[in-house]
Amino acid sequence: GESVGLHLPTLSVQEGDNSIINCAYSNSASDYFIWYKQESGKGPQFIIDIRSNMDKRQGQRVTVLLNKTVKHLSLQIAATQPGDSAVYFCAEITNFGNEKLTFGTGTRLTIIP
Amino acid sequence: DTGVSQDPRHKITKRGQNVTFRCDPISEHNRLYWYRQTLGQGPEFLTYFQNEAQLEKSRLLSDRFSAERPKGSFSTLEIQRTEQGDSAMYLCASSLVMEGSEKLFFGSGTQLSVL
Repeated sequence: GESVGLHLPTLSVQEGDNSIINCAYSNSASDYFIWYKQESGKGPQFIIDIRSNMDKRQGQRVTVLLNKTVKHLSLQIAATQPGDSAVYFCAEITNFGNEKLTFGTGTRLTIIP
Repeated sequence: DTGVSQDPRHKITKRGQNVTFRCDPISEHNRLYWYRQTLGQGPEFLTYFQNEAQLEKSRLLSDRFSAERPKGSFSTLEIQRTEQGDSAMYLCASSLVMEGSEKLFFGSGTQLSVL
């Protein structure tokens, strides 16, 4: 069936460096994507979203890139800080407004001091 | 604090017992979701409500599971005759669908352990 998956389960980055977390999706009909951050013992926290009619969106220290040709999504975090250590999930919605959010497995990001 | 509260935070029960969880969403949000999450996995969709109407239920939601959202405000998720495989984090989220965006705000979850 259709799925949202991640290339790497873990990622370690030196504090201050930039990090890139990748996500592959298989449903070409997906039209809305969201990145979530989940810290231990907490629920997922919204980071940034992007519609399928866009290929890039920027937030505070974060950028999401969408490549519909290869069905690939990435989250770039600039100047990583210890507080960025968490599990990051990409999630998708097919038929925005009418369907639920489907999550991938997640990537654990560890910031090395 | 996202504004979505869940109660209890932790629940330990014996196999065969019934449990009920409560979720209080952000007050102006019209959608409410229930997800289940096991260790090392992403949240799995269970069901969601638009106001008081339950719009979709996952195949994961067996007949032992029931969710309600009376009056379109808080929601309860009940699991009857719990099994060890029900042990997981149960997450509630609420959202307000706006043009071009639906941001789900999650609570901290209820961690269920079935012994």
